[in-house]
Amino acid sequence: DTEVTQTPKHLVMGMTNKKSLKCEQHMGHRAMYWYKQKAKKPPELMFVYSYEKLSINESVPSRFSPECPNSSLLNLHLHALQPEDSALYLCASSQDLRPRANVLTFGAGSRLTVL
Amino acid sequence: GIQVEQSPPDLILQEGANSTLRCNFSDSVNNLQWFHQNPWGQLINLFYIPSGTKQNGRLSATTVATERYSLLYISSSQTTDSGVYFCAVPNAGNMLTFGGGTRLMVKP
Repeated sequence: DTEVTQTPKHLVMGMTNKKSLKCEQHMGHRAMYWYKQKAKKPPELMFVYSYEKLSINESVPSRFSPECPNSSLLNLHLHALQPEDSALYLCASSQDLRPRANVLTFGAGSRLTVL
Repeated sequence: GIQVEQSPPDLILQEGANSTLRCNFSDSVNNLQWFHQNPWGQLINLFYIPSGTKQNGRLSATTVATERYSLLYISSSQTTDSGVYFCAVPNAGNMLTFGGGTRLMVKP
């Protein structure tokens, strides 16, 4: 079993819906990440939290809103998405952001379909 | 930014065969990770290998940092090895940048 848990595994939503993706880890990691992966492409970084503070936002549209309520949880709030936002959303964590400490552990992903 | 290229893009093997996957990167790195993504999307970290050689069962990896490449060896391949193999190295902001991947299919 993965040590990073993502829910839901699958999500179908309309363009006017509001939904959230959730991610949880209990490894004591202090860095958490959201990646987006389109079919047959590599994962692309969206957001990074370090010690519960937003460290990196890779120019992601505001219809994606991350939240890190505590060191174990990471949410991605979705609102007014477009069909092209359909993708696999991957959460990852690492010990922290130091060069030899950012060894990533990924969750199983949430597969999102926007109708 | 740093460029990461993987080869071959696609590979088909008969069960039991051996293979070598390559990852070239355009700048010096202090971190390199190999991942396997299974057909259901789960990414598993195989190796953290900024330099040298590591082995884990039928898999081994070698990174020659001075020549800017890394190799992943799969021996006695099994159908469960199928999926996509990614290497990733840090960009200028120390965030991992993924190569385009090698899609492996192992046939029984």
